[in-house]
Amino acid sequence: DTEVTQTPKHLVMGMTNKKSLKCEQHMGHRAMYWYKQKAKKPPELMFVYSYEKLSINESVPSRFSPECPNSSLLNLHLHALQPEDSALYLCASSLLDTNGDQPQHFGDGTRLSIL
Amino acid sequence: SQQGEEDPQALSIQEGENATMNCSYKTSINNLQWYRQNSGRGLVHLILIRSNEREKHSGRLRVTLDTSKKSSSLLITASRAADTASYFCATDVSGGYQKVTFGTGTKLQVIP
Repeated sequence: DTEVTQTPKHLVMGMTNKKSLKCEQHMGHRAMYWYKQKAKKPPELMFVYSYEKLSINESVPSRFSPECPNSSLLNLHLHALQPEDSALYLCASSLLDTNGDQPQHFGDGTRLSIL
Repeated sequence: SQQGEEDPQALSIQEGENATMNCSYKTSINNLQWYRQNSGRGLVHLILIRSNEREKHSGRLRVTLDTSKKSSSLLITASRAADTASYFCATDVSGGYQKVTFGTGTKLQVIP
């Protein structure tokens, strides 16, 4: 069992739908991340939140909208997605360290399919 | 573009043998980390080696880092069927801004 919980585990949606992915951790981590992982590829960073503020956006299309309502929760709002957005979406969290020496803790992901 | 390239892409060994996978990267790093991913699951952190370290051990894992060659290796000794997974190296180039880039990964199969 992971300490980062992602819901739902699976999501199928049409291109006109609006849905949200949720991520929760109670480890006191103040950095939270969204990654996208295509089959047989490494995870690709999408967003980083530090102290509930967006600190990194890796030029992600605006149809993906992140939100960090508090230090334990991270959401990813989805709207008007394309079939190529089908992937495993991973959330992670870590302690904040000015040296960047903290490991990231991952959830098991949401497998997203766009019809 | 990927910061890390891993080699081999796939590795199949018998239980009890050692497994070695290599990671090469392009730019200066603060640290290098290794993660494991079982099929359909999230990543699990295995070990972190700082740029001023050359070797680190954790249980059956041994990691080396050669910053002059921009490369690292992960050795798993006495492998078990449960070690079957994909292994990724990850580098932090951001100096505390939490931006980690993953390598291409090695898929390890340990045959019982």
